[in-house]
This record gives sequence, structure tokens and C-alpha cells, in this order.
Amino acid sequence: DTEVTQTPKHLVMGMTNKKSLKCEQHMGHRAMYWYKQKAKKPPELMFVYSYEKLSINESVPSRFSPECPNSSLLNLHLHALQPEDSALYLCASSQRDRANEKLFFGSGTQLSVL
Amino acid sequence: QKEVEQNSGPLSVPEGAIASLNCTYSDRGSQSFFWYRQYSGKSPELIMFIYSNGDKEDGRFTAQLNKASQYVSLLIRDSQPSDSATYLCAVAEGGTYKYIFGTGTRLKVLA
Repeated sequence: DTEVTQTPKHLVMGMTNKKSLKCEQHMGHRAMYWYKQKAKKPPELMFVYSYEKLSINESVPSRFSPECPNSSLLNLHLHALQPEDSALYLCASSQRDRANEKLFFGSGTQLSVL
Repeated sequence: QKEVEQNSGPLSVPEGAIASLNCTYSDRGSQSFFWYRQYSGKSPELIMFIYSNGDKEDGRFTAQLNKASQYVSLLIRDSQPSDSATYLCAVAEGGTYKYIFGTGTRLKVLA
């Protein structure tokens, strides 16, 4: 089973709204990620929770804040977003395979900021 | 700056042919190599991974790795229209989660 579940699948929000994206995995993976993907571009790493430690891509603005309530859940809180933040937001978890991490993506949340 | 390069395509092949997708990377410290398939509007799906030099086969897919040339490829045999998608190459340093993705190659399989 390689399922990573994301909700909602689609989200439309105004620039003054606060919303959250949710992600869940029950595969026992110890690392979870948020990626952002714009059309025709590769995924860009935003945040990683690996063994309860948070790593941040320094270029991610503070209007995005991650939360990891436990090793199976990962949230992304959104506040005062801009239209350029419209993108596909992908959650992923990774499985340690020998010395490597295999990354599995959820189905994504298509976010539109008006 | 660590980079992963792919030809953006589109690469068009007739149904039943072999599709060959290529990827080069700049970081000699890279240890793990992945191919993801992404349909339009969907999330990337892991289809192949390879860690050692040589070939690795899984069904219609073969991944080939040449660390000396810093080159990884994906062959799709007996291509089907359902294989039409963007194929992302991803490279990671050993033991890390720091993936670097290429920009993807769009494959079109013509019926």
C-alpha cells in the first residue's frame, strides 16, 4: 500500500482567507513533505518533516506554515495568500529503502487564489 | 548549483514502438535515481528507481544508469497511448530526501 491521502482535492480561496490542507499516510513512513508545483514545472520542495524534525526551504514565504500533529499527519496552513500562490500542492511521504528514500506523492490539492 | 536536465519534448512515438527518455545530472554525489510519470492535472507516480550502474527492468519499463557519464534513461517498450504523459527524472544524494527534479519530458504515443 503506497497511499498518501490529501484533502481537499480542490480549493478556491480569497487573499484574506485562512485555510488548511491536510495529508495522511498510514504506511509507517517517518518523513513527510509538502511540494508546490506550477503548470509545466517540476515539483518544488517547501517543507520536510523527517523523524519529527522540520526542515524549511528558506524561499517559502511565511504565509505558508506546516504542522505535523503526529507521524501520520501533515497539515499546511494558508493565510493571506497571493494569486501567484495558485498551484498544485503535493504532499508526499518517503520510505527508507537501503540507504535511499523513495518518495510517494498524494493526489494533490489544486489551489486557486482569487 | 545541482541540476537535472531533460529534453522537454514532446517526444512522439507510434504505438508499439520503444520510447527512450533521457536525463543527465550534475552532482557526482547522487546515489539514487527515480522516474515518475505525471498525467496532466494529476500527481507524480513513481514508476522506476535505480541505484546501481546498469539496467533494471520492470515489465515494459527499463531504467539504465551510467554514473561515469552522469546519465540515466528510461525505456518504454511496446508504447501505448495510455503512456502519454510527462516523465520526471529525479535524483537524490545517498541517504537524503533532497530530491532534484528535472523539468520533465512530455511523451506522446500516437495510435
